[in-house]
Amino acid sequence: AQKVTQAQTEISVVEKEDVTLDCVYETRDTTYYLFWYKQPPSGELVFLIRRNSFDEQNEISGRYSWNFQKSTSSFNFTITASQVVDSAVYFCALSEAVGGYSTLTFGKGTMLLVSP
Amino acid sequence: NAGVTQTPKFRVLKTGQSMTLLCAQDMNHEYMYWYRQDPGMGLRLIHYSVGEGTTAKGEVPDGYNVSRLKKQNFLLGLESAAPSQTSVYFCASSRLREQYFGPGTRLTVT
Repeated sequence: AQKVTQAQTEISVVEKEDVTLDCVYETRDTTYYLFWYKQPPSGELVFLIRRNSFDEQNEISGRYSWNFQKSTSSFNFTITASQVVDSAVYFCALSEAVGGYSTLTFGKGTMLLVSP
Repeated sequence: NAGVTQTPKFRVLKTGQSMTLLCAQDMNHEYMYWYRQDPGMGLRLIHYSVGEGTTAKGEVPDGYNVSRLKKQNFLLGLESAAPSQTSVYFCASSRLREQYFGPGTRLTVT
C-alpha cells in the first residue's frame, strides 16, 4: 500500500526565513509520481509541482525548490525568503502510474504560518 | 474558462436525507475524482472515473455513489446521510497526471 508521511503538522516562521517542508513516501512501484499542492486559507487546492520517479533532478521555481531523493524516499519542499502569502497548508501526494491517470494518496498536510 | 466548479458550496443535511453534489469541468479532461477532506486527515479518494460512463471505487467509497453520464460532469450522491459524512468534498479533473481541483463543498450532517 502507498503511504505519504508529512511529519511536521505545523511550522511557524518569521517572514524572510527559509523553511523546508518534509515529505517521506512508501510505495512498491518502480514508476510513480510525486506532487505538492498548496491550500491557502481560502480553501482551494493549488497544484505546485509534479515529479516522476525517473527524474531525480532538483527543481527550482522562483522562491520554491524541491529536493527529490529516491534513496531516502523523500520529496522535500523549500521556500526561500518566506512571505506572509506563503501561509497555507501544504500537501505532498503520491500516485502510482496506472494508465494515463493518477489516483492520489495524500499526506496529512503541513500548516505553514508566516508572520510579519 | 471556469475550470472545475462544484455546486453547492455549502449544505446542511439531517441524518437520513439524500443529496447530490455536482462537479463540472470545462477543460475536456478525461479523468475525474471525488475526495473528502477531514481535519488532520488530508484528502482521501472516494470514487473516480476514467471516462464517460465508467466509475471506480477509491479508498473510502462506502455510503457514496457516483455517476458520469457526461464527460464534463461527475456526480456524487449520498443516499442516506450520516454525521460521519460531515466533511469538505473536493472534485478534481485531469488530462494526465496533474489534478485540478474545484473550490470544495462543505457538507454538515446533523
